[in-house]
Amino acid sequence: AQSVAQPEDQVNVAEGNPLTVKCTYSVSGNPYLFWYVQYPNRGLQFLLKYITGDNLVKGSYGFEAEFNKSQTSFHLKKPSALVSDSALYFCAVRPSSGTYKYIFGTGTRLKVLA
Amino acid sequence: SQTIHQWPATLVQPVGSPLSLECTVEGTSNPNLYWYRQAAGRGLQLLFYSVGIGQISSEVPQNLSASRPQDRQFILSSKKLLLSDSGFYLCAWNLAPVEETQYFGPGTRLLVL
Repeated sequence: AQSVAQPEDQVNVAEGNPLTVKCTYSVSGNPYLFWYVQYPNRGLQFLLKYITGDNLVKGSYGFEAEFNKSQTSFHLKKPSALVSDSALYFCAVRPSSGTYKYIFGTGTRLKVLA
Repeated sequence: SQTIHQWPATLVQPVGSPLSLECTVEGTSNPNLYWYRQAAGRGLQLLFYSVGIGQISSEVPQNLSASRPQDRQFILSSKKLLLSDSGFYLCAWNLAPVEETQYFGPGTRLLVL
């Protein structure tokens, strides 16, 4: 079955430190990969995506993610965390063919401590 | 620019009552439309998606249904709500395969009592 895993329910990091939010996937073919962020009682906002090309993708608010095909991972990173980055982060994947359905991970709550 | 609307923002309904949630998109044509449910502030569950008027794909068997009466309108319905239908309902759109990014509405919080 096709799936997305976010192994950490919560990640705590001190302000100014680098952060990583992990995502691994299991889909057939060459997937399209996404990161979204959700603030309380709001819809999801797009951060970045990998479709093809350079494995390192840069997105909004200083976030970046690296596509690693051999490890089937797409971890979200930021060099220096801000308190305002505290939110719920979702990884999502769409198999590159056959469907316009997107599979979301269970979400990782990021808490940046001042 | 494109905008997505959802209403109502909040809804409290008794068990067994009907439901109708509406989602409309402005500023684009022929979007793919999606309904998701988020329980307890965590993972997203895809309920329905539509790639065109009258074309609905159901992902989860349940007492919910969806309709797309117009190109940019997506409606989520139920004839009789269950307690387990409580949650945060999100509508989204995109233009895949031309543009893969999904754009989400503000959501509807449904509490079934």
